[in-house]
Amino acid sequence: DTAVSQTPKYLVTQMGNDKSIKCEQNLGHDTMYWYKQDSKKFLKIMFSYNNKELIINETVPNRFSPKSPDKAHLNLHINSLELGDSAVYFCASSHRLAGGANTGELFFGEGSRLTVL
Amino acid sequence: SQQGEEDPQALSIQEGENATMNCSYKTSINNLQWYRQNSGRGLVHLILIRSNEREKHSGRLRVTLDTSKKSSSLLITASRAADTASYFCATGGYTGGFKTIFGAGTRLFVKA
Repeated sequence: DTAVSQTPKYLVTQMGNDKSIKCEQNLGHDTMYWYKQDSKKFLKIMFSYNNKELIINETVPNRFSPKSPDKAHLNLHINSLELGDSAVYFCASSHRLAGGANTGELFFGEGSRLTVL
Repeated sequence: SQQGEEDPQALSIQEGENATMNCSYKTSINNLQWYRQNSGRGLVHLILIRSNEREKHSGRLRVTLDTSKKSSSLLITASRAADTASYFCATGGYTGGFKTIFGAGTRLFVKA
């Protein structure tokens, strides 16, 4: 069984469209994340949820809206897609450490490659 | 802004040689982690070293941490062609929320 699974793996769409990426983890983790990896391989955190509550929102345009229906799922919806949104989006999860820190080992999905034409 | 900066950006070695990658960071940290990413795949956690530790080993991996210099190194001994991948350091700590922030990565190519 895949620990962190994302769908779809590939997404090709036109500018201005709306698309969603889904993520599910079966590790029993409390915390889930979305990271964006650009063409130069820079990996940047976008959002973090703990037990369905948004705890990190890194100055991401409000066209990006994460949703966590339960602690095992974190979806990412993107409105009005732009060329610059083309990237690989990674979902990840982790345990919340003692003291509330969420900086332990991250488990990543295989990524969703979004191409905006 | 990126927290970690890896050096070198790319490294090409022969199978059997050792590979050393360095990482520098800017702010105080709770821990530092190294991840591996094969082409077209997700990142896989390799090793975590806490801020009060100086060295850690895992199989052919050796990680050092120097918090006074805000730097870390990853040594892969007796490299294999299968070690070809990108390696990322990531710092865990509190910077406006508990986050794990990644560097730009070192691309390692091991020639058979």
